[in-house]
Amino acid sequence: QKEVEQDPGPLSVPEGAIVSLNCTYSNSAFQYFMWYRQYSRKGPELLMYTYSSGNKEDGRFTAQVDKSSKYISLFIRDSQPSDSATYLCAAFYSNYQLIWGAGTKLIKKP
Amino acid sequence: DSGVTQTPKHLITATGQRVTLRCSPRSGDLSVYWYQQSLDQGLQFLIQYYNGEERAKGNILERFSAQQFPDLHSELNLSSLELGDSALYFCASSVRGQGANVLTFGAGSRLTVL
Repeated sequence: QKEVEQDPGPLSVPEGAIVSLNCTYSNSAFQYFMWYRQYSRKGPELLMYTYSSGNKEDGRFTAQVDKSSKYISLFIRDSQPSDSATYLCAAFYSNYQLIWGAGTKLIKKP
Repeated sequence: DSGVTQTPKHLITATGQRVTLRCSPRSGDLSVYWYQQSLDQGLQFLIQYYNGEERAKGNILERFSAQQFPDLHSELNLSSLELGDSALYFCASSVRGQGANVLTFGAGSRLTVL
């Protein structure tokens, strides 16, 4: 079992919709969680960074961590064509290495 | 521009050859990470250096090696190349070597082995 699991998709969403991207993790020691966005053939860029449980909002993006169920989510409101990318979740704790999910590809529904 | 510079952007070579990928970290960052990303695959962690010393090792093949120089730039050496080594190689940097790290990625070096 991978420490961080993420459905690779692709996830097809119409413009203006709310997108929900999810990851599950197995190591209860994880405390820090990140979401990166990667456009095709580009390097990943940090979107959201959260510590422990709770929500964090930044513009159209909301990151949510539920440590009781070991579930992390990224919500994107009012989906735009520019949101078409691969979204990678990552988790770590203390001096541990960053553990990455496989990434979910988000595409615009025609 | 993320501040992390990778060269070359593209590289085409033949099986059995050796190549060197170069990375300059963001100003002020002491840690450098190397990742491999094959087509439609996730990021595979290869190796991390912090201030010139190896800090962590991931799934790096014995044919691959890396180092970080006193000026903090890093090189990833890939030798005896095989078709399966064709991938995007990313370098990332961070301020710290451990703990609550935010990684900043470069644009990647695309390696094609024919």
